[in-house]
Amino acid sequence: SQTIHQWPATLVQPVGSPLSLECTVEGTSNPNLYWYRQAAGRGLQLLFYSVGIGQISSEVPQNLSASRPQDRQFILSSKKLLLSDSGFYLCAWSRTGIYEQYFGPGTRLTVT
Amino acid sequence: GQQLNQSPQSMFIQEGEDVSMNCTSSSIFNTWLWYKQDPGEGPVLLIALYKAGELTSNGRLTAQFGITRKDSFLNISASIPSDVGIYFCAGQARGSQGNLIFGKGTKLSVKP
Repeated sequence: SQTIHQWPATLVQPVGSPLSLECTVEGTSNPNLYWYRQAAGRGLQLLFYSVGIGQISSEVPQNLSASRPQDRQFILSSKKLLLSDSGFYLCAWSRTGIYEQYFGPGTRLTVT
Repeated sequence: GQQLNQSPQSMFIQEGEDVSMNCTSSSIFNTWLWYKQDPGEGPVLLIALYKAGELTSNGRLTAQFGITRKDSFLNISASIPSDVGIYFCAGQARGSQGNLIFGKGTKLSVKP
């Protein structure tokens, strides 16, 4: 069976510090991968998606970036965090050509 | 951009009651998905719908893909306390790149 992991589970970072969130998927190959941000427990905003290694599409211009160094690894990064980057970050995967997305447990980021 | 209107935004349930919520769009959708999110966790896929008019059940949950392909409904029968949480609809619009559009969620709480 497939599983998706995210870490860390929670993170408190000062404004201006860098960020690296990691997502890995097990039990499948060549998945589509997604990063979402959820503010205040409601509404999911798609940030990035990837259909393959090194292929990243950005949905929302911001100071975040994403990378996919390996088939089942997706990383969300920032060089300098803003207060507005606080939120709940969710990684998701889907099979190619299938629209059902499966979410990870999320990372709660608080920028202070 | 395309949007999904999900209603109601919130509702209170009493154990044993039936619950209904829906999502509507001005665009035609090829796929409708329903998710449930518990506090501090990632959304969990409940039901996926792929054909207009399709009615699919998952235990006490029943969802329907509207005939017009612009709406979907989720019903929960004989609610129990563990049904509380936020329910999201998501859809894949015809002619889109395939990424999902999410509703803003319906928050189910227990009646005081």
